[in-house]
Amino acid sequence: EAQVTQNPRYLITVTGKKLTVTCSQNMNHEYMSWYRQDPGLGLRQIYYSMNVEVTDKGDVPEGYKVSRKEKRNFPLILESPSPNQTSLYFCASNGAGQGFYEQYFGPGTRLTVT
Amino acid sequence: GDSVTQMEGPVTLSEEAFLTINCTYTATGYPSLFWYVQYPGEGLQLLLKATKADDKGSNKGFEATYRKETTSFHLEKGSVQVSDSAVYFCALRRSQGNLIFGKGTKLSVKP
Repeated sequence: EAQVTQNPRYLITVTGKKLTVTCSQNMNHEYMSWYRQDPGLGLRQIYYSMNVEVTDKGDVPEGYKVSRKEKRNFPLILESPSPNQTSLYFCASNGAGQGFYEQYFGPGTRLTVT
Repeated sequence: GDSVTQMEGPVTLSEEAFLTINCTYTATGYPSLFWYVQYPGEGLQLLLKATKADDKGSNKGFEATYRKETTSFHLEKGSVQVSDSAVYFCALRRSQGNLIFGKGTKLSVKP
């Protein structure tokens, strides 16, 4: 089954404690993204990657890091989480090149930083 | 810069009512346009798309027409069901390939 998986689904942590949210896709997609969803703000892109070792900032990259060492994985790293990073996070992937490619979303990770 | 504006929610309707959720966009050129749906506790799913002016996207009884003259992509359904209760997001694809989303409109359908 084609899917994007994220772990963990729920996470409560404290300010300053480094954490990683993993994302993996099994569709051999080139393009992967991280979004955060906040009430009244919709989805905002944090980082995206167009292929292995190619990443770029989205609209709200501050406080986050990513890496793309393998095509299937795109972890999101919070080196020193703060309460304003409490949010619902989604990973997504899609194919690239000519034509239309549907973007597939993971189930989300709800992060609370106290 | 590119942006998407959709009507504020929440929207509450009775079953079998007509639904319209307005969406307008600002972009350079003619981007592809999408509607995504998010059911409670889940990620987003593509509902429908339109890749050029005057295209009509449709799926599950929902429709939206790409209107370049009004830069709009309004979502419509003739008769909503309780199972349509969800959050709906309008989105456009930037030239770099990434998506910009509207803020979302929560729809609640009462039996």
